[in-house]
Amino acid sequence: DAGVTQSPTHLIKTRGQHVTLRCSPISGHKSVSWYQQVLGQGPQFIFQYYEKEERGRGNFPDRFSARQFPNYSSELNVNALLLGDSALYLCASSLGSTNVSPLHFGNGTRLTVT
Amino acid sequence: AQKVTQAQTEISVVEKEDVTLDCVYETRDTTYYLFWYKQPPSGELVFLIRRNSFDEQNEISGRYSWNFQKSTSSFNFTITASQVVDSAVYFCALRRNNAGNMLTFGGGTRLMVKP
Repeated sequence: DAGVTQSPTHLIKTRGQHVTLRCSPISGHKSVSWYQQVLGQGPQFIFQYYEKEERGRGNFPDRFSARQFPNYSSELNVNALLLGDSALYLCASSLGSTNVSPLHFGNGTRLTVT
Repeated sequence: AQKVTQAQTEISVVEKEDVTLDCVYETRDTTYYLFWYKQPPSGELVFLIRRNSFDEQNEISGRYSWNFQKSTSSFNFTITASQVVDSAVYFCALRRNNAGNMLTFGGGTRLMVKP
């Protein structure tokens, strides 16, 4: 079975632009979460979606938004990009929303903002 | 507030040495879950173990072992007879009960195993 897949793998954007990152969860997984990992730091939680509804939001500005589609794939959108948004964006999927099954992470999208 | 501290930012060992990665956490919850993840250069976070707060039994899986001590709020990870393939960044993480998929990660420990 395929793992969590993310696209694109790398992206370069300019300050002020908008970006959309995509994630396909493991087949059968209904929950998708997004994390931001700045170089040299641990991942930070951005969003969780389950059954197309937002189930959790981290401490990120409103420039960050996400959505989940009927096939459980997800998009993360970031508006008005800042240099500080440069990071590895990780998507993770799990079976449910509140169970304690482990998260399965994708390889991430590396975003560089110039 | 939840917090996870991995005081060792970088560790270098020679192959076949044993190495312990430290993790200290802070939480006011009585029910919580602790995790270890491995991040190789490819970027993917690989799940290694999950422990709930009521289970303080140490666990061994091959060359990996984990020591959970609630009294000191620590969840340390030991690799026995390290190998070059163990080189990666290792993250300890904490999840509150009913917190969905919101994990609080430590800053990570970069382990370099030299041949």
